[in-house]
Amino acid sequence: DGGITQSPKYLFRKEGQNVTLSCEQNLNHDAMYWYRQDPGQGLRLIYYSQIVNDFQKGDIAEGYSVSREKKESFPLTVTSAQKNPTAFYLCASSDTGTGKETQYFGPGTRLLVL
Amino acid sequence: AQKVTQAQTEISVVEKEDVTLDCVYETRDTTYYLFWYKQPPSGELVFLIRRNSFDEQNEISGRYSWNFQKSTSSFNFTITASQVVDSAVYFCALSARAGSARQLTFGSGTQLTVLP
Repeated sequence: DGGITQSPKYLFRKEGQNVTLSCEQNLNHDAMYWYRQDPGQGLRLIYYSQIVNDFQKGDIAEGYSVSREKKESFPLTVTSAQKNPTAFYLCASSDTGTGKETQYFGPGTRLLVL
Repeated sequence: AQKVTQAQTEISVVEKEDVTLDCVYETRDTTYYLFWYKQPPSGELVFLIRRNSFDEQNEISGRYSWNFQKSTSSFNFTITASQVVDSAVYFCALSARAGSARQLTFGSGTQLTVLP
């Protein structure tokens, strides 16, 4: 079945630790996105990528990093510089990244700080 | 700047009642796209509908209907004969040009609870 997978479902981070969230899609989409959702709020864009080996910062990129080495994969690293990382992280993909098409979402990863 | 406002933070209805979720948007772009997503307790956002700014026809899909009014910058969502399975957070979103790139902006969501 085509879709977007994210792992792990839950992730625990210790102070000063970097953690990486996985996002894989088999929809053959060019564009991929990472969003952060805090309780009672909408989604905020962290990073997006319209093509392999290229990505742009979103509204809240500080403390995060990404890579896009393969079309189907767009991992997000939450670095120790992100002082308030506890949130629900959602990965999405869309056909071309022009903004005219629909974004489809994965099941999300919930990150908690120990 | 673009903005999406969902003024209703929480709504509770009894099963079989009709319910309308409001969405008001702001943009200076003349070509834009509006979306509704459903987020059940599992967390995954489920796409419901996409509408472009040139198509003001209302749409009906089963128990769901959408009313797009450019004159009032609104894109409201109605569920007819609500069911318990409709309980979720519903997000309205706007894709419009902000500077050189399009950006998808989400409202803060409306938590709908359908009571049996």
